Amino acid sequence: DAGVTQSPTHLIKTRGQQVTLRCSPISGHKSVSWYQQVLGQGPQFIFQYYEKEERGRGNFPDRFSARQFPNYSSELNVNALLLGDSALYLCASSLEGRDNSPLHFGNGTRLTVT
Amino acid sequence: GESVGLHLPTLSVQEGDNSIINCAYSNSASDYFIWYKQESGKGPQFIIDIRSNMDKRQGQRVTVLLNKTVKHLSLQIAATQPGDSAVYFCAEAKAAGNKLTFGGGTRVLVKP
Repeated sequence: DAGVTQSPTHLIKTRGQQVTLRCSPISGHKSVSWYQQVLGQGPQFIFQYYEKEERGRGNFPDRFSARQFPNYSSELNVNALLLGDSALYLCASSLEGRDNSPLHFGNGTRLTVT
Repeated sequence: GESVGLHLPTLSVQEGDNSIINCAYSNSASDYFIWYKQESGKGPQFIIDIRSNMDKRQGQRVTVLLNKTVKHLSLQIAATQPGDSAVYFCAEAKAAGNKLTFGGGTRVLVKP
C-alpha cells in the first residue's frame, strides 16, 4: 500500500516568491496535517484538515495557507517567502481528525529559500 | 506553552544491547503520547503510541512506559540493531484533536 506521498521532494525558491506543496494521504485517510521541521528540531504543527475543513492551525503567519480537496489530497501554500521558511515540510494523514489516531508522515518536501 | 522535551540529545549503544530513550512532558492534560523514528532524508516513522489510561505498552522489540506522576515517557528498544540508528522523537497530543507537539529529538547511534 502506498504511504503518504508528497511533491516535489526538493524545491529552491527566492525570497519573496510563492510556493505550493502537495500531499496525497494514505488511501482511506480523511485527515491531513502539515508540519514544518527546521534542521535539528522536531516538527512544528502548521495546519490540520479533515473533510475539507480546517480543524486546527499552529502559530504561523498568514503567509501560510492550506486547503484540502474532495479526494482528501491537500496543498500548502506559502507566500512572500523568507529565508527562515527554509525547512522540511511534512504532510501526515490519519483516519480521522479526532480520537488521536496515529499520524503517518510522508518523506517531506525540502524547501530552500535563497 | 506546553512542550515535550528529551533529556539526552545523543545516545550511543552497543549492538545487541537494550536502548532507553527518555522524554519529559509538561502538559498534564495530554491524553496521548507517541514515539517516532526518523532516518536521514525521510519523514518520521510511527513506532508505538500509548494513551494516558495505560502505563505500559509493548510492540515488536519496543516498549513504551508512561509515568503520569512525574510526567515522564520512555521508549525501550530491545537488542538494538544497526538499523535502529536514527533520531527518535516523542510527541504528545491533547484530547481535543490530532495536533502533535514534538520534542527536540534524541539521536541513537548503534556501534557494531
